[in-house]
Amino acid sequence: DTEVTQTPKHLVMGMTNKKSLKCEQHMGHRAMYWYKQKAKKPPELMFVYSYEKLSINESVPSRFSPECPNSSLLNLHLHALQPEDSALYLCASSQRYPSTLTGNTIYFGEGSWLTVV
Amino acid sequence: QKEVEQNSGPLSVPEGAIASLNCTYSDRGSQSFFWYRQYSGKSPELIMFIYSNGDKEDGRFTAQLNKASQYVSLLIRDSQPSDSATYLCAVLGGGGSYIPTFGRGTSLIVHP
Repeated sequence: DTEVTQTPKHLVMGMTNKKSLKCEQHMGHRAMYWYKQKAKKPPELMFVYSYEKLSINESVPSRFSPECPNSSLLNLHLHALQPEDSALYLCASSQRYPSTLTGNTIYFGEGSWLTVV
Repeated sequence: QKEVEQNSGPLSVPEGAIASLNCTYSDRGSQSFFWYRQYSGKSPELIMFIYSNGDKEDGRFTAQLNKASQYVSLLIRDSQPSDSATYLCAVLGGGGSYIPTFGRGTSLIVHP
């Protein structure tokens, strides 16, 4: 079983709604990630947090707002999304970022399926 | 631009056979290589990682790395229908990058 837990598993939201995706990891990792994955495509990096600070924002639209309250928690706040934002949102963690070889192993949570209507 | 190439498949093998999944990468400075399995509708699950040239075995899985040829593969022995999934290759390192680049994945079908 994955030690990266995500809630909710499924979310349906309207384009005017505000919702949040939540992620928690219990591995003592200091780096956490948000990925987006569309059908039959590889995961696409959105954000990287290292020691609770945002390290990478892959030019993600501002309607996605990440938050890292502490080293175990990661949120993704959603507002005014578009139907094309419907996808599987994956939270992940690794020992640290940037890192030597071993510390770079990324572990994914089970994902949150988002549908924007 | 770093590239990780995988044949999208599907690769179809009979139960009990060896499935061979291949991945090539463009960045010679790449240091770490990962294989993930992703069942339909589920998230990627780490199977193995490999850093050194040669073979690394874990149960029915063997990862093979050849840095000179910029090639990494995953062999699955005694394939089972439950191995049917998409296998993602991820490559890390080189040029100071610590974010893995994922291939598009190979769909594997193991038929009884």
